[in-house]
Amino acid sequence: GAGVSQTPSNKVTEKGKYVELRCDPISGHTALYWYRQSLGQGPEFLIYFQGTGAADDSGLPNDRFFAVRPEGSVSTLKIQRTERGDSAVYLCASSPGASGALDTQYFGPGTRLTVL
Amino acid sequence: AQSVTQPDIHITVSEGASLELRCNYSYGATPYLFWYVQSPGQGLQLLLKYFSGDTLVQGIKGFEAEFKRSQSSFNLRKPSVHWSDAAEYFCAVAHNYGQNFVFGPGTRLSVLP
Repeated sequence: GAGVSQTPSNKVTEKGKYVELRCDPISGHTALYWYRQSLGQGPEFLIYFQGTGAADDSGLPNDRFFAVRPEGSVSTLKIQRTERGDSAVYLCASSPGASGALDTQYFGPGTRLTVL
Repeated sequence: AQSVTQPDIHITVSEGASLELRCNYSYGATPYLFWYVQSPGQGLQLLLKYFSGDTLVQGIKGFEAEFKRSQSSFNLRKPSVHWSDAAEYFCAVAHNYGQNFVFGPGTRLSVLP
């Protein structure tokens, strides 16, 4: 079946611009995660959704970052006034949601964001 | 705060040799522990996980990991490495009640023919 998909695969933008990154989880998965992975680093947790609600957004670095999941499936990560330091690969993962942290997370291929 | 360290940035082994990748965590209680693999051009894939019970856990692709509470470690092992195992390996930890996962910096594995 289809896995987690993310669009676009690459996004180049200029400093100060607004960007949206999209994640399509596996059908039926209620849990959805966003991570950010900088070069040479492990993924850094940003936000976790259970259904439509953000159950844990403690990883969002500041108020320029926001994520939504209005219908409990597709999620959009929004970054305002982008900065060069936002350049990274943004990963999305989904899981069935029944077993909390023990559920296997299935990761998408990521969106590579470059802020010039 | 939780933290995960992977002391080895890069490891090179010969095909057929054994492998051990180290992972140490800092957390007040027994966390949930995970190992993920990230191959070039592919997404992160779960190899195995530990949450309780037998401290030696088996995963996919012939990997296993052992939880040692006294050492706060969760090292990944494989008895015989294949060329296709060349990838980046990440150890991760999560609360047993929360979903905030913390990943280590990763260990890059190279395999010599």
